[in-house]
Amino acid sequence: GNSVTQMEGPVTLSEEAFLTINCTYTATGYPSLFWYVQYPGEGLQLLLKATKADDKGSNKGFEATYRKETTSFHLEKGSVQVSDSAVYFCALSDLQGAQKLVFGQGTRLTINP
Amino acid sequence: SAVISQKPSRDICQRGTSLTIQCQVDSQVTMMFWYRQQPGQSLTLIATANQGSEATYESGFVIDKFPISRPNLTFSTLTVSNMSPEDSSIYLCSVEGQGPDTQYFGPGTRLTVL
Repeated sequence: GNSVTQMEGPVTLSEEAFLTINCTYTATGYPSLFWYVQYPGEGLQLLLKATKADDKGSNKGFEATYRKETTSFHLEKGSVQVSDSAVYFCALSDLQGAQKLVFGQGTRLTINP
Repeated sequence: SAVISQKPSRDICQRGTSLTIQCQVDSQVTMMFWYRQQPGQSLTLIATANQGSEATYESGFVIDKFPISRPNLTFSTLTVSNMSPEDSSIYLCSVEGQGPDTQYFGPGTRLTVL
């Protein structure tokens, strides 16, 4: 079945560092890909998405490019802030079921000042 | 985006009891979803709830354990029945959003079963 594998956490960085959180997927067909973020004490929020190969999703300085050839959707940000501390989830849409999302295990990110 | 609220936000329950979680959204939506997030793990879809029809459960989840109601287009409930410590999780509801496959999530209900 479809699955998502994320970089193991937790990840700790200093403010203004470059961030990469790896995400690879296994899927039949061409699913949409997502990054969700869960800030402390809050619900899951959609951060960005890409719906087809070579699409780049971006939001709040974060970017991720849908790479079909490597089945990847790595999340990047050039200069992280303390406020980016959160848990990040990579996900794909399961085309077998209407709107069913399959999530990766999540990566906890902590940014130190 | 939709504004989703859940009640309760957290609860501590005794084994063998049941808890009903409510999910309210500020606009009418056709599809609502219930997820479970076990400690340190990812989200797993429990079921999809469409108004006017029986919920559709994912593999490993059954209606007797997780009965769901969907009385109208803005509200749903999930009951966790005959609870055991293994049911300790965060339970989240979500609704369909704008754009293909997009979902908006509620803040979650943190359940601890003793």
